[in-house]
Amino acid sequence: RKEVEQDPGPFNVPEGATVAFNCTYSNSASQSFFWYRQDCRKEPKLLMSVYSSGNEDGRFTAQLNRASQYISLLIRDSKLSDSATYLCVVNRGTGGFKTIFGAGTRLFVKA
Amino acid sequence: DGGITQSPKYLFRKEGQNVTLSCEQNLNHDAMYWYRQDPGQGLRLIYYSQIVNDFQKGDIAEGYSVSREKKESFPLTVTSAQKNPTAFYLCASSIGIGSNEQFFGPGTRLTVL
Repeated sequence: RKEVEQDPGPFNVPEGATVAFNCTYSNSASQSFFWYRQDCRKEPKLLMSVYSSGNEDGRFTAQLNRASQYISLLIRDSKLSDSATYLCVVNRGTGGFKTIFGAGTRLFVKA
Repeated sequence: DGGITQSPKYLFRKEGQNVTLSCEQNLNHDAMYWYRQDPGQGLRLIYYSQIVNDFQKGDIAEGYSVSREKKESFPLTVTSAQKNPTAFYLCASSIGIGSNEQFFGPGTRLTVL
């Protein structure tokens, strides 16, 4: 079993739709969590950090459930420009440095 | 503009040759990283460095070597011992190791002919 798992998709949604991605992690020592966005053949870029209390940035909402060891990303009112791969990233801050990237979930938003 | 640069963007190599990928940052970050990305897979850590003159192996270090002689620079050498080197290589940096956001360079796409 991978330490960080994501549904690879692809998710095909129309413009204006709401879409949710989940990511599960297996190591309970994980301390910090992020969502990155990666466009085709480009580098990943930070979309948002994920806090225990949940956080929102415009149309994007990220939540963390430590008890169930998963994080989620909700995108409301999808735009064509949201089409990308979304990477779940988990840092294990103790017991030695370790950052684990999920394989990503591909999203296609269509007109 | 602060950021991370990688060169070259595309690189072709014959089997049996060593090749060095450049990574430079002017963000004054202490930590730097090298990742490899293959189609349909997540990023895998090759090497990382917490500070100048120090570096540690990641999950897939075999066939690779690095140096960290300057804070700004973290070059990666792909040696002939790397059995399947064709991949997208990404360099990143962060303020420190651990919980910090990582900033990525634009990547180098290496193809072995």
